[in-house]
Amino acid sequence: GQQVMQIPQYQHVQEGEDFTTYCNSSTTLSNIQWYKQRPGGHPVFLIQLVKSGEVKKQKRLTFQFGEAKKNSSLHITATQTTDVGTYFCAGAYPPGTSYDKVIFGPGTSLSVIP
Amino acid sequence: DGGITQSPKYLFRKEGQNVTLSCEQNLNHDAMYWYRQDPGQGLRLIYYSQIVNDFQKGDIAEGYSVSREKKESFPLTVTSAQKNPTAFYLCASRRQSHSPLHFGNGTRLTVT
Repeated sequence: GQQVMQIPQYQHVQEGEDFTTYCNSSTTLSNIQWYKQRPGGHPVFLIQLVKSGEVKKQKRLTFQFGEAKKNSSLHITATQTTDVGTYFCAGAYPPGTSYDKVIFGPGTSLSVIP
Repeated sequence: DGGITQSPKYLFRKEGQNVTLSCEQNLNHDAMYWYRQDPGQGLRLIYYSQIVNDFQKGDIAEGYSVSREKKESFPLTVTSAQKNPTAFYLCASRRQSHSPLHFGNGTRLTVT
C-alpha cells in the first residue's frame, strides 16, 4: 500500500537556526499538503503543492515538490519559538489508486530553544 | 461560523464496551475522514467517506465502524474488538479532492 515517510522524527534547534523536514512517498502523488500541529492542538493546513518541481514560499517557510512527485520538503529560515510544533506532510494519490485517500507522514516534531 | 465539531473532548470507557465518537460539520463538505493519533506519532487513516451512504476502509479499520447517513455527520464507533483503543481521534472534512483538510479539535479516548 501507499506509504509516506518523513525525516527527521525530532529536531531541536536554537532560535534563529534553520530547519528542514523531508517527506517521501512510496508511489507517485497527485499532490502533497503540509500541516502544522501545535502541542495539544489539531493539524492546521499550511500549503498544497500540485505541480512537479513546484516551489512555494510563505514568509520564512519554503515548500518544494520533487520532479517525480514522490518527495517534498519544508524549510524554515531563522526559526522562532512560534514555529514549535509537529509538521506533517500528507500525500494524495492519483485516480485509480484510492483517489480520495490522504496519507499522512509520521511528522517531524520541532523544538526551538530560545 | 462554519467548522467541524467533535464531541466529547474527553471520553473514558471500560474495556469491552463499544463507544461512538461524534463528528459533525457545517461546511457543506463532501468528504470526511477519521484519523487516529498515538502519542508522538503521526495520523493513521481509519475510514473515509467521499459521499453520503458510502465509505472506505483506511489503513487501520479493524475494530472500528462508521456510518454516513447524512452529509454533515460521520460518527465513528470504536468496538470492543479494537485491541488498543486508547488514542486521540481526529475527524476531518474537505470540500472535494485536492482541497485542504479541515480538522475538528479531536476526542481523547481512554479505555481502561
